[in-house]
Amino acid sequence: AQSVTQLGSHVSVSEGALVLLRCNYSSSVPPYLFWYVQYPNQGLQLLLKYTSAATLVKGINGFEAEFKKSETSFHLTKPSAHMSDAAEYFCAVRYSSASKIIFGSGTRLSIRP
Amino acid sequence: DAGVTQSPTHLIKTRGQQVTLRCSPKSGHDTVSWYQQALGQGPQFIFQYYEEEERQRGNFPDRFSGHQFPNYSSELNVNALLLGDSALYLCASSTGLAGHAPDTQYFGPGTRLTVL
Repeated sequence: AQSVTQLGSHVSVSEGALVLLRCNYSSSVPPYLFWYVQYPNQGLQLLLKYTSAATLVKGINGFEAEFKKSETSFHLTKPSAHMSDAAEYFCAVRYSSASKIIFGSGTRLSIRP
Repeated sequence: DAGVTQSPTHLIKTRGQQVTLRCSPKSGHDTVSWYQQALGQGPQFIFQYYEEEERQRGNFPDRFSGHQFPNYSSELNVNALLLGDSALYLCASSTGLAGHAPDTQYFGPGTRLTVL
């Protein structure tokens, strides 16, 4: 079954520290991959997307993600966390341009002062 | 350029009632998808509308129905509400269905439905 798994429902880092949010997908064919952020009481905002071009994808707010086919992973990173990064982050996958988007269960990112 | 808009923002209903949620897509978009996001979970796909027809559907009962209008706006209807229907309902818009490049869905802020 097609799925996406986010490891860690809650991640806490200090301000200025590296942010690493993990995402693995299940597929033998490279899918389209997305990271979304959701701030409290708001909808989803696209951070970045992978569409089979460059494997390292840069997004908004200093985030980036690397597509690793051998590991079926698409982990999200940011070199230096900011207090404003505190939010829920969702990894999502789409297996064709005509298929539905499947979301992971989300990872809540907390930033310690 | 307005993004995806949804109304109402919040809604409180009682069990057994019916509810209608509304969505206006981003300018230039013709496809609308609806998602249910229960508290503490990721969004779950309900269905997608394109050219005024339901094109794809997730694992939701027939109590969940929808409609798309000629101006591409959409409604989500839920009949015989259950307590478990309490959730944030998200609308997302995009262009086309089977395009040559993967589209990106733009999400609205959602409608928070509480069923008592």
